[in-house]
Amino acid sequence: QKEVEQNSGPLSVPEGAIASLNCTYSDRVSQSFFWYRQYSGKSPELIMSIYSNGDKEDGRFTAQLNKASQYVSLLIRDSQPSDSATYLCAVKSSGGSNYKLTFGKGTLLTVNP
Amino acid sequence: KAGVTQTPRYLIKTRGQQVTLSCSPISGHRSVSWYQQTPGQGLQFLFEYFSETQRNKGNFPGRFSGRQFSNSRSEMNVSTLELGDSALYLCASSFFGSLSSGNTIYFGEGSWLTVV
Repeated sequence: QKEVEQNSGPLSVPEGAIASLNCTYSDRVSQSFFWYRQYSGKSPELIMSIYSNGDKEDGRFTAQLNKASQYVSLLIRDSQPSDSATYLCAVKSSGGSNYKLTFGKGTLLTVNP
Repeated sequence: KAGVTQTPRYLIKTRGQQVTLSCSPISGHRSVSWYQQTPGQGLQFLFEYFSETQRNKGNFPGRFSGRQFSNSRSEMNVSTLELGDSALYLCASSFFGSLSSGNTIYFGEGSWLTVV
C-alpha cells in the first residue's frame, strides 16, 4: 500500500511567522511531488511541484525534498491570514506514462492575525 | 481560457439510485482523472482516462465507472448508491497523461453528492 502521510494539524502560526508543513511517503521510487492548497469548500490548487532533491523556492513558498529520507516539506515564509487552508501533499506513483496522484489527508493551517 | 467544468455542482440522491457526473476538461487537455474526497479518507484516486482509454484505476468497487468521449469530456457513474458514497467528486485535467516536469493537473470545482 503506497501511502502519503501528513500531520493533520491544525497547525497554528502567527501572522508573519514561518509555517512548516511536512509529508512522508512510502513508495521509494516516487519521482514527482506536489503541494496543493485547498480552501474550505473549494477544490485543490497546485502551489508547488518538486522533482529533485534539495530546495525549490517560489515567492514565499519553499519546497524541500529528501528522497533518501522519503520526506518532502513546504515552508511558507511571512505567513498571511489568507494562507489559512488545508495543504495537501501529493506523490506521483511510478509506472511510465500512467499516473495517479496519491494524496495525504492534508494539514490544516491557521494563520492568526 | 476556461477551466475544468463539472456538472452538476450539488445533488442529492437516495440510496440505491445511480448518478452520473460530468466533466469538461480544459480545452486541449486529453487526460481526465477523477477523485473522491471525504473528511475521513481524504482525496482518493478513482480512475484516469487518456484519449478515451482508461489507463489507471484506483481501489474502488465496480459500482464506480467512467468513460471519456472523443472530445475529451468525461463522465463518471456510480450505481446502487450507498450512504458512504456521499462525498465531493473532483475531476482534474492535464495535457499529457503523465506528470512530467512542467505538466500540471487542474482541478474542477467538484460535484457535491449527498446520498440519503
